[in-house]
Amino acid sequence: KQEVTQIPAALSVPEGENLVLNCSFTDSAIYNLQWFRQDPGKGLTSLLLIQSSQREQTSGRLNASLDKSSGRSTLYIAASQPGDSATYLCAVSLIKAAGNKLTFGGGTRVLVKP
Amino acid sequence: DAGVIQSPRHEVTEMGQEVTLRCKPISGHDYLFWYRQTMMRGLELLIYFNNNVPIDDSGMPEDRFSAKMPNASFSTLKIQPSEPRDSAVYFCASSLSSLRGNTDTQYFGPGTRLTVL
Repeated sequence: KQEVTQIPAALSVPEGENLVLNCSFTDSAIYNLQWFRQDPGKGLTSLLLIQSSQREQTSGRLNASLDKSSGRSTLYIAASQPGDSATYLCAVSLIKAAGNKLTFGGGTRVLVKP
Repeated sequence: DAGVIQSPRHEVTEMGQEVTLRCKPISGHDYLFWYRQTMMRGLELLIYFNNNVPIDDSGMPEDRFSAKMPNASFSTLKIQPSEPRDSAVYFCASSLSSLRGNTDTQYFGPGTRLTVL
């Protein structure tokens, strides 16, 4: 059974500092990995999707890397801003699954202090 | 596009009552997912549909839970009878299948916050 872990559960940084969020998964036979953002009381917004054949994806200040062999992904957010405060979740989709299930990590709650 | 639409946004009901949550996926998407989010268990997949057909309902917690998708633009998640432990935020998401038959980005609705007293 695929397990997805995100450490730390919470992170507080001053504005301008770079953010590093970690995600680990137990089954390396993934199809893709997604990073989502969730604001309080809101749904999830997809930030980046990395296919299993890719090693990284970039969008603006966001960069996500994927190392399937070690079962890890890292989301980097450069020059953090107060507006980046949210919970960030990673989720993996397995090739072996009979369908298309996403297994989510518990999330990292980020606070960027002005 | 308006995105994934869910209703109601908030629902407060008493134990034993029937609860129906509704979802309208993004037009043209052929996958629809129902998730439940709680502090204790995080985000869990309950059931998903492909072309209106339920594919995997192994995440549905009990027979009290049922889901239907009568057409491509509407799905319901029903809880009957509801219990206090069903209190959670229920999300609906939709996606468009890629050429390889697996889905890519999932788009989430705003969720329904259910409170069962």
